[in-house]
Amino acid sequence: EAQVTQNPRYLITVTGKKLTVTCSQNMNHEYMSWYRQDPGLGLRQIYYSMNVEVTDKGDVPEGYKVSRKEKRNFPLILESPSPNQTSLYFCASSFRAGGPLGETQYFGPGTRLLVL
Amino acid sequence: SQQGEEDPQALSIQEGENATMNCSYKTSINNLQWYRQNSGRGLVHLILIRSNEREKHSGRLRVTLDTSKKSSSLLITASRAADTASYFCATDASWATTDSWGKLQFGAGTQVVVTP
Repeated sequence: EAQVTQNPRYLITVTGKKLTVTCSQNMNHEYMSWYRQDPGLGLRQIYYSMNVEVTDKGDVPEGYKVSRKEKRNFPLILESPSPNQTSLYFCASSFRAGGPLGETQYFGPGTRLLVL
Repeated sequence: SQQGEEDPQALSIQEGENATMNCSYKTSINNLQWYRQNSGRGLVHLILIRSNEREKHSGRLRVTLDTSKKSSSLLITASRAADTASYFCATDASWATTDSWGKLQFGAGTQVVVTP
C-alpha cells in the first residue's frame, strides 16, 4: 500500500532532550516536506527536500534539522526541544516539487508532540 | 507567511445542504489545491486546479478559480455527515516567485460540521 509513515505517533518529552521523528515513504517520491500544525495557524512548512541530499528551509525552520540521505526517509530532528515546539507534525511527499502542472502531496498520519 | 486564507473559519450545515467555502491568496500561483482533514489526522488531497483553469468537478465537489481576484471556492453539494472535517486550500507558487520554489502554502482552514 502506498503510504507515508511517521514514528512515533505521540511523544511527550522534556525541554532540551534531543528527539527524532522519522518519516518514510514507499512511493519513490523525490519531494518530501515537514509541516507543523497549530490551532488557528494552519500548516506551516518547516523544511523540505527536493531530492536526496537536497534540503531547504521552509517558513518556520528555527529549532529543527533534517537530513535526506536516502530517497525514502526524511527524519525531523529537534536538537533541544522547547515548549513552543509543542505541536502536531506532518510529513508529506510528492512525486516531485510543484510547478505549473502541480503535484499532489501525500501526508503521513501525524505526530503529536508535547514538550514539557 | 500564509498565502491562502479560508473563509468562513467555521460552517455548520445540515445533511443535504450545500457547503461553500472560499480561499483568497496574495501572489501569483501555478495551481491551487484543496485538502480535507478529519480531526487530528493527515490531510487528504481533494482536487487541484491549475492557474489556466476556471472550474473543476470531482464527484460532489466543485472548485472555481478566479486569478484576477486571487480567489477560489470549494462547493460540496448534498453534504453528508461524513463530510464533517476541516478543509484547507494550498497554493503552489513554484517558479512564479523567487522564494516559493518547492513550497505549498496552506491557509488556516474552514471547519465544516454536517449534522444529520
